[in-house]
Amino acid sequence: GAVVSQHPSWVICKSGTSVKIECRSLDFQATTMFWYRQFPKQSLMLMATSNEGSKATYEQGVEKDKFLINHASLTLSTLTVTSAHPEDSSFYICSARGMVGDTQYFGPGTRLTVL
Amino acid sequence: RKEVEQDPGPFNVPEGATVAFNCTYSNSASQSFFWYRQDCRKEPKLLMSVYSSGNEDGRFTAQLNRASQYISLLIRDSKLSDSATYLCVVNTGRRALTFGSGTRLQVQP
Repeated sequence: GAVVSQHPSWVICKSGTSVKIECRSLDFQATTMFWYRQFPKQSLMLMATSNEGSKATYEQGVEKDKFLINHASLTLSTLTVTSAHPEDSSFYICSARGMVGDTQYFGPGTRLTVL
Repeated sequence: RKEVEQDPGPFNVPEGATVAFNCTYSNSASQSFFWYRQDCRKEPKLLMSVYSSGNEDGRFTAQLNRASQYISLLIRDSKLSDSATYLCVVNTGRRALTFGSGTRLQVQP
């Protein structure tokens, strides 16, 4: 089946630093990737939709200058949390959708802790 | 009102029990429906899609009522390994998925 990887799986950083999270589709080409965030005991919330070669579409309330998304190829999207603060600590999960059908395949998630 | 609403639980049931989860969605234009399972500190994994005609996969049965905008999941003969959070998920046509907050199931020996 389709496999999506994320790197790193967890990261701890100091407040004010930037953190980059990679999402890769390993055995298929993903025209669209989605970035979600999940706080403890809450639902996954869509942050942005990323299409290869174009600008990401951000959900209401998500700052595009803080959460930089780059989808440079059909197998890689990156999310950079700039100037991270403790309130950005969360579980970040990407998903990828292939060229055919609507099925989304989720990465294993990245747990970000900002001290 | 949330787009997808679920009872958060937890549902504590003994092994072998039958348990049912319900979910309602607000957007009548929603096109596809799913149940995902999420284990603690892991990503969600697709359990099954939900069709209007109802569908079954082993011990799991899913039902969709478009008129009432209601989705259900029935688990028969619960196993300890069924303990997880079950997420009701709706595709509203924006091509992204909208997740409910999840219903936590704890199956006890």
